[in-house]
Amino acid sequence: RKEVEQDPGPFNVPEGATVAFNCTYSNSASQSFFWYRQDCRKEPKLLMSVYSSGNEDGRFTAQLNRASQYISLLIRDSKLSDSATYLCVVNPRSGYSTLTFGKGTMLLVSP
Amino acid sequence: DAMVIQNPRYQVTQFGKPVTLSCSQTLNHNVMYWYQQKSSQAPKLLFHYYDKDFNNEADTPDNFQSRRPNTSFCFLDIRSPGLGDAAMYLCATSHTNSGQGVAEAFFGQGTRLTVV
Repeated sequence: RKEVEQDPGPFNVPEGATVAFNCTYSNSASQSFFWYRQDCRKEPKLLMSVYSSGNEDGRFTAQLNRASQYISLLIRDSKLSDSATYLCVVNPRSGYSTLTFGKGTMLLVSP
Repeated sequence: DAMVIQNPRYQVTQFGKPVTLSCSQTLNHNVMYWYQQKSSQAPKLLFHYYDKDFNNEADTPDNFQSRRPNTSFCFLDIRSPGLGDAAMYLCATSHTNSGQGVAEAFFGQGTRLTVV
C-alpha cells in the first residue's frame, strides 16, 4: 500500500457544485496532515492544515478520520478558480521531519 | 515578498554538464527540502536538511547532491544530468520541533530544468 493515495480524477463539476476528495494514508502513526493546491506548472501552496476535530475555512472543510486513516476535503459552491490539482500531504513517520505527497486529485470546474 | 526563493526559474543544461540550483529562505525555518516533480506526478522528496543534518532518501540517485552552508541557503547539485532528470525542482522549508511532527511546508516557485 502506498504511503499516501488519492484518486487522480479529474473531477469535472459545474460551478456552484459541492465536491469532495478523499485521501488515505498507510502509517497509523502519522501526525500532520495538509491539503495543498497546485496550479498547472506552479508550486504547491498550502490550502489548509487538517486537525483531528476537523476544520473549516470559508467554502473549504477538511476532516481527519484516524480510525480509517483517511482525510477529506470538501469544497462547497465551486468556483472556476478552484480548478487545480489538490495534493494530500502527510508526515508519515512519528516525529520525523518530512512530508509525503499524494499524486493529487485534479478538479475542473466548468461554467 | 517571496519567502522561499529559487534561482533560476528556468535552467537549460547540456547532457552530462554539472548544474547547480539554489534556494534561499527568509523564514528562518530549520528544515529545508528538495523535491523533484515530473509532469503529472507527485513531488518526490530527494533529501532534506534538519538544521545541518543531511537526510538522503534511499532511492535518490548518487547523481544528486546537496549543500546547506547556512540556515538561509540550500543548493541542489546534479553532477551529470541525464535526459531523465528534466523536471521541476521544488525547494521547500518548514519548521519542526523534534517529536512534535512537522509544520506545513512553504515552497519556492521551482526551477524547471531542461536537459538537452
